[in-house]
Amino acid sequence: GAVVSQHPSRVICKSGTSVKIECRSLDFQATTMFWYRQFPKKSLMLMATSNEGSKATYEQGVEKDKFLINHASLTLSTLTVTSAHPEDSSFYICSARDRNRNYEQYFGPGTRLTVT
Amino acid sequence: GQNIDQPTEMTATEGAIVQINCTYQTSGFNGLFWYQQHAGEAPTFLSYNVLDGLEEKGRFSSFLSRSKGYSYLLLKELQMKDSASYLCAVSYTNDYKLSFGAGTTVTVRA
Repeated sequence: GAVVSQHPSRVICKSGTSVKIECRSLDFQATTMFWYRQFPKKSLMLMATSNEGSKATYEQGVEKDKFLINHASLTLSTLTVTSAHPEDSSFYICSARDRNRNYEQYFGPGTRLTVT
Repeated sequence: GQNIDQPTEMTATEGAIVQINCTYQTSGFNGLFWYQQHAGEAPTFLSYNVLDGLEEKGRFSSFLSRSKGYSYLLLKELQMKDSASYLCAVSYTNDYKLSFGAGTTVTVRA
């Protein structure tokens, strides 16, 4: 089956620093990747849609300068949380859509970010 | 988003059946997904419904009624490993974005 990896799985950083999270599709090409945020016992909230070779589309209320997204290739998208603050602490999950399979999205294992 | 409602928690006994309901706004509906998520892990795909009716996949089945804005996920012959959160997600556009419900935590007891 299709596999999506995320790195790192856990990261702790200090306030004011930036953190980069990678999302990779390991055995398929993903023209579109999605970035979600999940708070404890809450649902996934879509942050942005990442399209290979073009600018990301952000959902309402998500600061694009705060959450930088780059989709440099068909298998890699990165999310950089810039100048992180404690309220950015969350579980960040990416998903990737297989260009050859119309509707399924495959989710990465998630990244637990803690900002101290 | 999009008022996707599902119960918060359900408890059932090993070997039993549990039905998780999901209601959503019908305007602009494009398809409905069910995902399973264990604590601290990524959601895994269970089913996709776009037409009315029942889709069966082993112990799991999913039903959709487009006119009623209603779906359910049926889990049969429950096993302890089925204890997880079950997420109902709806696609409202052709760009594959998903709106998720808050999830239903299912606890299976021996």
